[in-house]
Amino acid sequence: QVQLVQSGAEVKKPGASVKVSCKASGYTFTSYDINWVRQATGQGLEWMGWMNPNSGNTGYAQKFQGRVTMTRNTSISTAYMELSSLRSEDTAVYYCARAAYYDILTGYYNYWGQGTLVTVSS
Amino acid sequence: SSELTQDPAVSVALGQTVRITCQGDSLRSYYASWYQQKPGQAPVLVIYGKNNRPSGIPDRFSGSSSGNTASLTITGAQAEDEADYYCNSRDSSGNPLDWVFGGGTKLTVL
Repeated sequence: QVQLVQSGAEVKKPGASVKVSCKASGYTFTSYDINWVRQATGQGLEWMGWMNPNSGNTGYAQKFQGRVTMTRNTSISTAYMELSSLRSEDTAVYYCARAAYYDILTGYYNYWGQGTLVTVSS
Repeated sequence: SSELTQDPAVSVALGQTVRITCQGDSLRSYYASWYQQKPGQAPVLVIYGKNNRPSGIPDRFSGSSSGNTASLTITGAQAEDEADYYCNSRDSSGNPLDWVFGGGTKLTVL
């Protein structure tokens, strides 16, 4: 069965960086884009960006341009999201999600990681 | 980037029908997908595309789309349907591989 298993909770100081991992299993890792989505406490879902594990190509939401980097290690079927220059507003649960395309008009996330809580506090 | 707009909260009496809507320019080009999220849990896909349900999602959940509006309908709402619901689509304003979420709708089942 398809699974996305994320790394554990992190506590970081303002200005530091955090790197969250997302290990995929149950399918061919390079066949589906991985997207990253975050959710601050009590807030909605916020799309951060996508990565094609086959090519390594990425696309980031404008809000995170220059601060986020999405990478992968295909040998261990793992995607990574690194966010730098952390501030208190980055405190959130970070999710990886596998993107699929039903047709040219329809994309969706049919599998999600369990989420990783990143707390930014001095 | 585009925006998707949802009503912050909606309520429905047990067993009745409720419609949750999502508006945005991207929906003129792409279909929405819908996610249910319960407290402390990751989102779960309930509807995608024109009106497709993943395996395991009850058939009381259905989707529709017209113009710039997508709708999620729950026919005969159950207590376990109380949750936050988010719409999502690809972003038509820039890179088509970019995505956007609605702000979410909190559904209360009375």
